[in-house]
Amino acid sequence: EAQVTQNPRYLITVTGKKLTVTCSQNMNHEYMSWYRQDPGLGLRQIYYSMNVEVTDKGDVPEGYKVSRKEKRNFPLILESPSPNQTSLYFCASSPITSSSGANVLTFGAGSRLTVL
Amino acid sequence: GQNIDQPTEMTATEGAIVQINCTYQTSGFNGLFWYQQHAGEAPTFLSYNVLDGLEEKGRFSSFLSRSKGYSYLLLKELQMKDSASYLCAVMDSNYQLIWGAGTKLIIKP
Repeated sequence: EAQVTQNPRYLITVTGKKLTVTCSQNMNHEYMSWYRQDPGLGLRQIYYSMNVEVTDKGDVPEGYKVSRKEKRNFPLILESPSPNQTSLYFCASSPITSSSGANVLTFGAGSRLTVL
Repeated sequence: GQNIDQPTEMTATEGAIVQINCTYQTSGFNGLFWYQQHAGEAPTFLSYNVLDGLEEKGRFSSFLSRSKGYSYLLLKELQMKDSASYLCAVMDSNYQLIWGAGTKLIIKP
């Protein structure tokens, strides 16, 4: 089944304790992205990657790191989490080009992170 | 700056029709997407418009007017399972998606 898999789905942690949220896709998509979603603010992009070893900042990159060493994986790293990073996080992927022109994003199920 | 506007919340009755509007101001335009998101779940793709006009897909239709920077999503024969948030997103000239905050649709029996 074509999918984007994120782990963990739920996590409660404390301020300053480094954590990684993994993201893996099995669709051979070039493009991958991380979003956070907060009530009333919609989806905000953290980082994105157009291909292996190519990453770029989105709208809210502060406090986050990413890497793209393999095409299928795009982990999100919080080196020193803070309470304002409490949020619902989504990983998504898409092809760069498609025959229809619509590069439809496939989202992971989401990771709900609480930082105390 | 770039901006997507859509109503925060709408209420409709089961079996009725509802129209969710989206207006946008972006740096360039490479298509407009509608996604559906049930509470606590991932967004899922509904429709894509890049040319002016109406795209129909079953009970759902999406309309685009590029000159007006305007789109709407039309849902017919509403069902309780249509209760969800509907997200409008525009792909700009750099092929980046700009997202609206979403419209929460409440369906009443």
